[in-house]
Amino acid sequence: DVKVTQSSRYLVKRTGEKVFLECVQDMDHENMFWYRQDPGLGLRLIYFSYDVKMKEKGDIPEGYSVSREKKERFSLILESASTNQTSMYLCASSPGLTGTTEAFFGQGTRLTVV
Amino acid sequence: DAKTTQPPSMDCAEGRAANLPCNHSTISGNEYVYWYRQIHSQGPQYIIHGLKNNETNEMASLIITEDRKSSTLILPHATLRDTAVYYCIVSRGSTLGRLYFGRGTQLTVWP
Repeated sequence: DVKVTQSSRYLVKRTGEKVFLECVQDMDHENMFWYRQDPGLGLRLIYFSYDVKMKEKGDIPEGYSVSREKKERFSLILESASTNQTSMYLCASSPGLTGTTEAFFGQGTRLTVV
Repeated sequence: DAKTTQPPSMDCAEGRAANLPCNHSTISGNEYVYWYRQIHSQGPQYIIHGLKNNETNEMASLIITEDRKSSTLILPHATLRDTAVYYCIVSRGSTLGRLYFGRGTQLTVWP
C-alpha cells in the first residue's frame, strides 16, 4: 500500500512561531503537494513539487514556504504563524509527469494557531 | 482551470445504487475526469478516473457522456461507510498531476 505520512494529526502553535509540517511518502513518487482545507472553501493548493529541490506556487502560497531536499519528503513551513493559518493541512503525492495518475493523500494535520 | 458543477448534497438508502452527477462542460480533449471522496476527518481517497470510455473498478463505475461534458459516478450498492464528500475533478495534464478540488457532493447513506 502507498503510504503518505504526515508527522502530526493535531498541532497547536502560538502566533509568530515558525511551524514545520512534515510529509513523507514511501512509493518513490515524483510529485508532492500541500493543500489546506477550510469549511466552505474546499481544498486549496498551497505549493507543489515535481522533483527534488523543485517547487511551484499553488493558489495560496502567501505566508508559506516549502522544502524538498529528498524525494520522499516534502515540508511545509509557516514562517510566522498567524491565526488565519488555522486549518486542516493535507499532503499528497502522485507518480509521473502527467495529470493521468491518481494522488494519494495523508491523514491531514489539524493546525490551530492561538 | 476547468470547472466542475456538482449538487451540494444527495441521499441514498443503504443497498441501493448511488448515482452522483457532475457537469464539466468546458473540459478539454486531453483532460481526464477524476473522482475522489473524503470521509470525515480523513484525507481524500482516489476512486476512479477516465478519459472517454466508461470505467469500472472494485469501488465504483464511471459513466462519461459521449460529448464528455458530464459524467456520473455510480456506487452500485451503497453502504453506510460510503457516507462522504465526493469530488469530481478535471485534471490539467500539463500541470504535473495537479488537481483542482471544488466543493463536492455530500453523500449521506441512510439505513
